[in-house]
This record gives sequence, structure tokens and C-alpha cells, in this order.
Amino acid sequence: EEQLVESGGGLVQPGGSLRLSCVASGFTVSSNYMSWVRQVPGKGLEWVSVIYAGGSTYYADSVKGRFTISRHISENRVYLQMNSLRAEDTAIYYCARDPGGQFFDLWGQGTLVTVSS
Amino acid sequence: EVVVTQSPATLSVSPGESATFSCRASHNVRHNLAWYQKKSGQAPRLLLYGASTRATDIPARFSGSGSGTEFTLTISSLQAEDSAVYYCLQYNYWPPYRFGQGTNLEIK
Repeated sequence: EEQLVESGGGLVQPGGSLRLSCVASGFTVSSNYMSWVRQVPGKGLEWVSVIYAGGSTYYADSVKGRFTISRHISENRVYLQMNSLRAEDTAIYYCARDPGGQFFDLWGQGTLVTVSS
Repeated sequence: EVVVTQSPATLSVSPGESATFSCRASHNVRHNLAWYQKKSGQAPRLLLYGASTRATDIPARFSGSGSGTEFTLTISSLQAEDSAVYYCLQYNYWPPYRFGQGTNLEIK
């Protein structure tokens, strides 16, 4: 069964850092485009970042320069390093698979990040 | 950048009736539009892609139409379990991937 499982969320102070992890099973992350999508409580879905199968990375303007997406091929895992966190980064962060420049066809259950003092 | 606009913001429909959702793109996205169902506490669920192709295990009550800039999602024979927020996503121009702001479906 294909599955994505996120971890690493939690409470962090403004200005702090956190690293989210997403482990995949049943398929290979390096053969897909892997994204992070977030949802602020009570708000809509917002795409955050993507890492292409070829390794290129892209970011939403709201996180550019603060977040870094990466992957560990042998562990079949995708990461999101989040630095200089702000209150407005508080959200549930989902890992999602895009088979190749298309739509997101597989999602994890999400991990909650709370930025608060 | 492509802007995706959904309407209405909220839809209130009785069980057994149909609900129609609208999604409008600021640029021609051809058929590259997907629909998602999002329930509180759950991951988004892919309903349709290519504007009208149902994803795996999605019942025929869910249908989509449109191309270019105007798209519609229709849910017929509404059930209580259909209560959720529905999002469209254009994937013709990316990155960034752009979701609509969502339509909240309430079952009366």
C-alpha cells in the first residue's frame, strides 16, 4: 500500500527552527515530485515547496529563504527544514505526491506546527 | 501567475439533492484542473483530475466538467458524509501550485 507519514511537528518559539520529515512506503520518492502543502487553522490549502524527481526545488514566496526542502533517497524520505519561524507559519503541514507535474494524488495525514511564545 | 477563484464560499443543500461548485482560473489552464475534498482532521482526498476524470474509488455521484477557465464540480444525491470543504487546484502553470480558496458544503 502506498503511504506517506509525516512527523516532526510541535511547538516552537518565533524565530526558532523545526525539521519536518515525511517517509514514503510503496513507492519511490525520487521518481516523483514531492511537495509540502499547509493549512492554517480555519483557512485554505497553501502549497509550500516542491522537490522534483531531478532534484530541483521551488518555494512559495511566503517561505522562500526560510524553508528548505530536501530528500534522503535511501531512506525514501522528504524533509522540510523550517527556519526563522513566524506565527503565521502555524499550520498543519502535509506531505503530498505529484506523479510528475500534475496534481497531488497521495497525501499524508499531516503534522501540526505551532509557532508561539 | 494564475489566480483560481471558487464560488460560492458556502453551499447549503438538503440530502438527496445536488450541489454545484464553480472554479474559475485567470488564465487558460486547458483541462489541467483537479478537485479535492477536505474534511476536518483528515488529509485532502483527490476526487477528480483532468477536470472530469474520477480518481480511484470515487463514486459516480461526483462529476466534473469544463475546460480553459471555467470548471464545475457536481455532487448528486447528496449524503451527510459529503459535508466538507471542496478545493480546486490548477496544475497547468506551476510552480507555484494554486488552490482555490475552497467552498464549504453544508448538508441541511
